[in-house]
Amino acid sequence: QVQLQESGPGLVKPSETLSLTCTVSGGSISSSGHYWAWIRQPPGKGLEWIGKIYFGGTTYYNPSLKSRVTLSVDTSRNQFSLRLNSVTAADTAVYYCARDRLWPQGDAFDIWGQGTVVAVSS
Amino acid sequence: DIQMTQSPSSLSASVGDRVTITCRASQAISSYLNWYQQKAGKAPKLLIFAASSLQRGVPSRFRGSGSGTDFTLTINSLQPEDFATYYCQQSSSTPSTFGQGTRLEIK
Repeated sequence: QVQLQESGPGLVKPSETLSLTCTVSGGSISSSGHYWAWIRQPPGKGLEWIGKIYFGGTTYYNPSLKSRVTLSVDTSRNQFSLRLNSVTAADTAVYYCARDRLWPQGDAFDIWGQGTVVAVSS
Repeated sequence: DIQMTQSPSSLSASVGDRVTITCRASQAISSYLNWYQQKAGKAPKLLIFAASSLQRGVPSRFRGSGSGTDFTLTINSLQPEDFATYYCQQSSSTPSTFGQGTRLEIK
């Protein structure tokens, strides 16, 4: 079955760029009917949607982060990636990648990575 | 952005109880509403999509209902593994948004 795994640095300095990659296994990132999303959760808080990307490159971003976020996809490696620049302590969170499955009545995050903790600190 | 408000924020219940969690959207979202369960230190797990469709593998004691702005998640005959935090999420418009969560604790 499809599995997702996040990877990247666990510590980023303020004002620098956070970069994470999500590797998809057990299935193709190029399959139709799915977007690929990033969601984060600050310590002790709720979930925040960051954005999503289709294998063809179409992207949607949360307006609250849009000026700092870039999503990309590498179909040859079956991976998609998140870059968040100019980070501050407020970007400290568990970052999840997820498959955003499309249904006739909307979409939902049906498969999640285990999450990776990213702390922003000097 | 569409605001999602869950109530209650927390509740205590016993094994075997039936509990209901409510989610209200700040504007109509048809049936574009999903429910997730999150246990401590784990990723969320999809329970219900499109307001009332049970995700494959999820026990039938979980039931979702509602449309428009008001939605409910009902858990019948609570089991020990059901004590967790529950989130609703709207997929009607971008950005997708989540409720603040409802923590279900053992009484």
